[in-house]
Amino acid sequence: TQLLEQSPQFLSIQEGENLTVYCNSSSVFSSLQWYRQEPGEGPVLLVTVVTGGEVKKLKRLTFQFGDARKDSSLHITAAQPGDTGLYLCAGRSARQLTFGSGTQLTVLP
Amino acid sequence: IAGITQAPTSQILAAGRRMTLRCTQDMRHNAMYWYRQDLGLGLRLIHYSNTAGTTGKGEVPDGYSVSRANTDDFPLTLASAVPSQTSVYFCASSYEPAGTGGYNEQFFGPGTRLTVL
Repeated sequence: TQLLEQSPQFLSIQEGENLTVYCNSSSVFSSLQWYRQEPGEGPVLLVTVVTGGEVKKLKRLTFQFGDARKDSSLHITAAQPGDTGLYLCAGRSARQLTFGSGTQLTVLP
Repeated sequence: IAGITQAPTSQILAAGRRMTLRCTQDMRHNAMYWYRQDLGLGLRLIHYSNTAGTTGKGEVPDGYSVSRANTDDFPLTLASAVPSQTSVYFCASSYEPAGTGGYNEQFFGPGTRLTVL
């Protein structure tokens, strides 16, 4: 069974602060996706990274795929209360996704 | 376009009872999935279907069954519910081109919150 470990599990910060969420595995994935989930809803895709070392930016969010395609990070600059939610990484292999346990982010105004 | 719908939204069920969670998508996606989400464990795959008429087991299939009679519907059945099946269940779908690993987006329904007493 492939495992994806996310850290931290919980994060509470003030508006305007920066933060980084990590997603680590001992397995190699063909691609890695980041989803965001709000209470009472299903996860929604934020980004897919495919190439080792790839960096993608989505406004204030920066996603990086590790060179060996085993890990990834999500960095948020100047966090806002609207960024509050559960962030899930998901590694893809053989057409299936393995999800991490998630990072619950709370941004306080 | 509704995307993916799930029913019921929530359910309280006595242990030992049979329950079917419904999932319908209108995006003509070939692949569909059922996950359960428990606190601290993320989303775990129960069963999946790569195309109508085929199904496969995921990480935690025991106690659950699925069918895929057509492209749009993918019901999940608990034959005899147990308290450990208390969870939030999410159905998802994606378009997966044949013959490729792919990295396509999975679209999720709003979830069914199930409590087994």
